[in-house]
Amino acid sequence: EDQVTQSPEALRLQEGESSSLNCSYTVSGLRGLFWYRQDPGKGPEFLFTLYSAGEEKEKERLKATLTKKESFLHITAPKPEDSATYLCAVQSGGYQKVTFGTGTKLQVIP
Amino acid sequence: ETGVTQSPTHLIKTRGQQVTLRCSSQSGHNTVSWYQQALGQGPQFIFQYYREEENGRGNFPPRFSGLQFPNYSSELNVNALELDDSALYLCASSLGPEAANVLTFGAGSRLTVL
Repeated sequence: EDQVTQSPEALRLQEGESSSLNCSYTVSGLRGLFWYRQDPGKGPEFLFTLYSAGEEKEKERLKATLTKKESFLHITAPKPEDSATYLCAVQSGGYQKVTFGTGTKLQVIP
Repeated sequence: ETGVTQSPTHLIKTRGQQVTLRCSSQSGHNTVSWYQQALGQGPQFIFQYYREEENGRGNFPPRFSGLQFPNYSSELNVNALELDDSALYLCASSLGPEAANVLTFGAGSRLTVL
């Protein structure tokens, strides 16, 4: 069974203080690893898809990387509007099921 | 382009009752997936509908059932509600089961079971 573990559970940063979120995964045949952002009271919002080890994707202050066992979401010089819960998810085998981690709750303080 | 809309946004039921949640998929999307998100947890896959048929199911009992209509909208039905069914129920649509990697989520329906 696919498993996704995210760390830390919560992270508090000062504005401008760069950091990384970790996502460790166990799957049989990775078809894709995804990062989503979820704001309070809203559904998750898609950020990135990574397909193979060594792949990197960037969007504004966010950069996602992938190895054979884990993924990192690097946040460079974060702003308060980056505060949210970041969810990691994997898809393997059958296309229909995406397995999510429990998320990292990020708070960026001005 | 209309996003995914869900209704109702909030509802309260008592144990043993039945509930129906509704979802309209994003324009152009023909596949709908349902997820349950308990407080402080990540979303858990319930099932997916494609071409009006169930196309995969997670570890949820048969009292969780669904429908998809010709316009691709969908319903999630839960019978014999239990306290543990209290959660945010998320609907997500995608271009197809083969492209299910990019899910567009609605804002969810918050169900409280008393």
